[in-house]
Amino acid sequence: GAGVSQSPSNKVTEKGKDVELRCDPISGHTALYWYRQSLGQGLEFLIYFQGNSAPDKSGLPSDRFSAERTGGSVSTLTIQRTQQEDSAVYLCASSRTASSYNSPLHFGNGTRLTVT
Amino acid sequence: TQLLEQSPQFLSIQEGENLTVYCNSSSVFSSLQWYRQEPGEGPVLLVTVVTGGEVKKLKRLTFQFGDARKDSSLHITAAQPGDTGLYLCAGARRGNKLVFGAGTILRVKS
Repeated sequence: GAGVSQSPSNKVTEKGKDVELRCDPISGHTALYWYRQSLGQGLEFLIYFQGNSAPDKSGLPSDRFSAERTGGSVSTLTIQRTQQEDSAVYLCASSRTASSYNSPLHFGNGTRLTVT
Repeated sequence: TQLLEQSPQFLSIQEGENLTVYCNSSSVFSSLQWYRQEPGEGPVLLVTVVTGGEVKKLKRLTFQFGDARKDSSLHITAAQPGDTGLYLCAGARRGNKLVFGAGTILRVKS
């Protein structure tokens, strides 16, 4: 597709279960970001991938959160032993290069995660 | 502590009114972006400002970057119901990691 694709669009899971969220970035975009957004709030940075460089994991809130990006394209965000406070919209974005000045972020529509 | 402070948090106005949204920080940014987000969708870029004192216009929207590159404002003239949404500012620093403000929810009533 032409845009960033995220799946699933909605996920309801029980507390303690693991979940995987998927992001398909725009083809050719080397940078990929994951953000978390609570209801009506701003975006909380989670992790950033740029090409073959080591990812910037500085925003991951706990060791229950991990992410990988295979082949420089698709990315998966995994949350283990989910907690109710993990409920949020998880947004993925990609950009053509690492520079945000001339390479803006293109966001997917997010995955709404609800932990019951 | 929010690196970028946006104000107001919520704004409800009548169609035709003018409004200004502010984005402030104690940090210097190499560039600053404004995004608009509608329910169920991801944010969409409106503008990027780079130079201190820069002013950019996008139809009825005017964006300004502070001289010291620490703050920015978004002014909307004659707001319309279609302007309703969440407006987010985002600053770029070293490492190209964008830092977002908490957002301003704008509701324009007809």
